[in-house]
Amino acid sequence: DTGVSQDPRHKITKRGQNVTFRCDPISEHNRLYWYRQTLGQGPEFLTYFQNEAQLEKSRLLSDRFSAERPKGSFSTLEIQRTEQGDSAMYLCASRAAVDTEAFFGQGTRLTVV
Amino acid sequence: AQKVTQAQTEISVVEKEDVTLDCVYETRDTTYYLFWYKQPPSGELVFLIRRNSFDEQNEISGRYSWNFQKSTSSFNFTITASQVVDSAVYFCALSDRFSGGYQKVTFGIGTKLQVIP
Repeated sequence: DTGVSQDPRHKITKRGQNVTFRCDPISEHNRLYWYRQTLGQGPEFLTYFQNEAQLEKSRLLSDRFSAERPKGSFSTLEIQRTEQGDSAMYLCASRAAVDTEAFFGQGTRLTVV
Repeated sequence: AQKVTQAQTEISVVEKEDVTLDCVYETRDTTYYLFWYKQPPSGELVFLIRRNSFDEQNEISGRYSWNFQKSTSSFNFTITASQVVDSAVYFCALSDRFSGGYQKVTFGIGTKLQVIP
């Protein structure tokens, strides 16, 4: 396994369109996380899964955002009716346990025009 | 609430100089974890080190060293003999039981390090 992978790496979309990002975690990791990073800031927590269960969502995650991890493997993050404020890097991470480090993917950079 | 402060937003050094990146954290917890990550221009966050609150031993890994001091709530990172490849944004981060039972990691805003040849 080569690490956490995210697809696509870049996405440009028009305001109002829906977008979906995919994350494939490290295979033996049952914990998966989504973070958002805007320019000049550190990553901010959005949500996390333990296996297929979504256990916590940040207040940053509005109703237009939804995340799934249907079989406890890969995860998708969908943004409906995108707004310019959604432009950011969306990072996925996985880890084996809470007392271990999280490994991050390369991120999906979203630009809403 | 937990908080991570990286007061230095940008640092420039000349190659081969030593540089220390500061990190100060706040937490009410007695058991917590501290991390440093590197984010090169490619964007991927690269894990550097994890330290739990009960282990105050300083650590050295090649040109990298970390100084953890609970008394001052600091976890500083030193790069010795810096190289151009060290140019990146470095993030300090913290997780504790108040962050969803250690699930959430709170990051500082990062320190951008530029190493000039």
